[in-house]
Amino acid sequence: KNEVEQSPQNLTAQEGEFITINCSYSVGISALHWLQQHPGGGIVSLFMLSSGKKKHGRLIATINIQEKHSSLHITASHPRDSAVYICAVIQGAQKLVFGQGTRLTINP
Amino acid sequence: DSGVTQTPKHLITATGQRVTLRCSPRSGDLSVYWYQQSLDQGLQFLIQYYNGEERAKGNILERFSAQQFPDLHSELNLSSLELGDSALYFCASSGPTGGAWTDTQYFGPGTRLTVL
Repeated sequence: KNEVEQSPQNLTAQEGEFITINCSYSVGISALHWLQQHPGGGIVSLFMLSSGKKKHGRLIATINIQEKHSSLHITASHPRDSAVYICAVIQGAQKLVFGQGTRLTINP
Repeated sequence: DSGVTQTPKHLITATGQRVTLRCSPRSGDLSVYWYQQSLDQGLQFLIQYYNGEERAKGNILERFSAQQFPDLHSELNLSSLELGDSALYFCASSGPTGGAWTDTQYFGPGTRLTVL
């Protein structure tokens, strides 16, 4: 079993739908990152979380440390949100483990 | 545009060869991170430098080495290349604190390495 599991692996939705991507991890962490990788390959850091909830525009990220679970939500999804979303957990001071990514496709 | 530059964009070479990938961080950023993304293993963290010093080490092979220079640009050296080293290599930079991943990271466009 991977230390970081994302679900679903692939998600296709219609424009305007509310999207949820999940990330579960099996070890204690100090923080968690959400990244977005565009179809062209470029990577953007979306959020860094150690507790609670963060919001940026239509994106919301939450983390529950006790349940070892984080979610990334996209409200009013748009075709430009189509990308691979990757969570990464930080264990201790130096270990970073990536999830396998969730490929999101938003159809107009 | 993240402000992080990487050269070259593409590199094709043969097994057994040595290559150098270069990264210039955003102005003012002191940390540089290197990552490898391959089809079978996904994203992996290789190494972090902060203000010229190695700060964190991930799954970096002994055939690979990196350094950060006084002007803060960084180079990743890959030697004795194997077919399995074919991947996208990203660098990222982050701001003033030296802790690994405690600041937002800004990723470069990547260097695509193909080993034939």
